[in-house]
Amino acid sequence: AQSVAQPEDQVNVAEGNPLTVKCTYSVSGNPYLFWYVQYPNRGLQFLLKYITGDNLVKGSYGFEAEFNKSQTSFHLKKPSALVSDSALYFCAVRDADGGSQGNLIFGKGTKLSVKP
Amino acid sequence: DAGVIQSPRHEVTEMGQEVTLRCKPISGHDYLFWYRQTMMRGLELLIYFNNNVPIDDSGMPEDRFSAKMPNASFSTLKIQPSEPRDSAVYFCASSLILPPETQYFGPGTRLLVL
Repeated sequence: AQSVAQPEDQVNVAEGNPLTVKCTYSVSGNPYLFWYVQYPNRGLQFLLKYITGDNLVKGSYGFEAEFNKSQTSFHLKKPSALVSDSALYFCAVRDADGGSQGNLIFGKGTKLSVKP
Repeated sequence: DAGVIQSPRHEVTEMGQEVTLRCKPISGHDYLFWYRQTMMRGLELLIYFNNNVPIDDSGMPEDRFSAKMPNASFSTLKIQPSEPRDSAVYFCASSLILPPETQYFGPGTRLLVL
């Protein structure tokens, strides 16, 4: 069975500081990994994804994520946080060996708060 | 493209009433997903369709919930009768294929059952 965990309900950072939002996953095969962001009263927006290849994935708005197979992690990072980055962030996984069955499994979400 | 369109954006109803949520996916997308988001349970997949055919409805909570996709450009999620515990934000999403293809989400319908 596949699962994803976001161990922090909330992350607080000061504007200009680096930020990390943590995600760990469990799949039986190779993973497809995603990060989505949800701003208040909006739907989820795609940020970035890992399929294969380079472990460091770059996405929208200056975000990046590092795939670490040995630690089964896919942490979201940004070198310098902005107040406008404040939102709810979701990590999601799908087993790449799932064939035509199965969809994304989403984490519970992590609320990021960036203070001026 | 206008993206995924959902209506209504907000719905307030009384317990026992029928509720119908609507979704128009992005043109050309073969997959359509219905999700429910609550504080307690997070984001849950209810059902998804491929080429208008339901593929996995294991997330549908009860027989009170039903979903249809009569054509490639329209889907409904119906709750009959509604209960207060159905209060949530319901999202529709669409994609060309299953992941790793990106899913595109609509703005959601915020449902409150009194």
